[in-house]
Amino acid sequence: ETVLTQSPGTLSLSPGERATLSCRASQSVSNIYLAWYQQKPGQAPRLLIYGASSRATGIPDRFSGSGSGTDFTLTISRLEPEDCAVYYCQQGGTFGQGTKVEIK
Amino acid sequence: QVQLQESGPGLVKPSQTLSLTCTVSGDSITSGDYYWTWIRQHPERGLEWIGNISYSGTTSSKQSLRSRLTMSLDTSKNQFSLTLSSVTAADTAVYFCARGDRETTSFDSWGQGTLITVSS
Repeated sequence: ETVLTQSPGTLSLSPGERATLSCRASQSVSNIYLAWYQQKPGQAPRLLIYGASSRATGIPDRFSGSGSGTDFTLTISRLEPEDCAVYYCQQGGTFGQGTKVEIK
Repeated sequence: QVQLQESGPGLVKPSQTLSLTCTVSGDSITSGDYYWTWIRQHPERGLEWIGNISYSGTTSSKQSLRSRLTMSLDTSKNQFSLTLSSVTAADTAVYFCARGDRETTSFDSWGQGTLITVSS
């Protein structure tokens, strides 16, 4: 079973800054199976990125995904206050442990 | 626009059986493009995939839960269900149903989640 490890655990940045979130897989993953989600308190997760780099419907273009093999990245180009959330990567039946993004 | 809604008891006693239902609107659960999926989240913890069921009734589930887990479809009501037997406090969590894309395995639509507490 593939293990997904996310880093950092918490990211604290100011509005307008760039956020870079990492997801590392314990073995090579096909790009088509790598997704990213955003979860705000009390809400269900929301799909942001599928297929490693395709934005889901309605997702702003400040969110982008990249990577291949075992290393994947979610980038938020210009942080906005509403981006405060926990972000998870996922491959098949496995989720990473999450990265919390805080806005200063 | 597809919508999913979980329904369940809220509170279950230890050793009893948990039953949850997910009602789907805006899509048919007989669609061959999706897996109908259960995911849970323990308090202040990450997401845990429980299992899924396809339009044909084929299931796949987390190995550690398999012996206690049953999943089914009710096509007449456009619902899918989960039963988890012999529950313990470790099964206390928010349970989500979700639609999983067969091609990418991503979950593009989620229910709001229902909190299940196992306690006497």
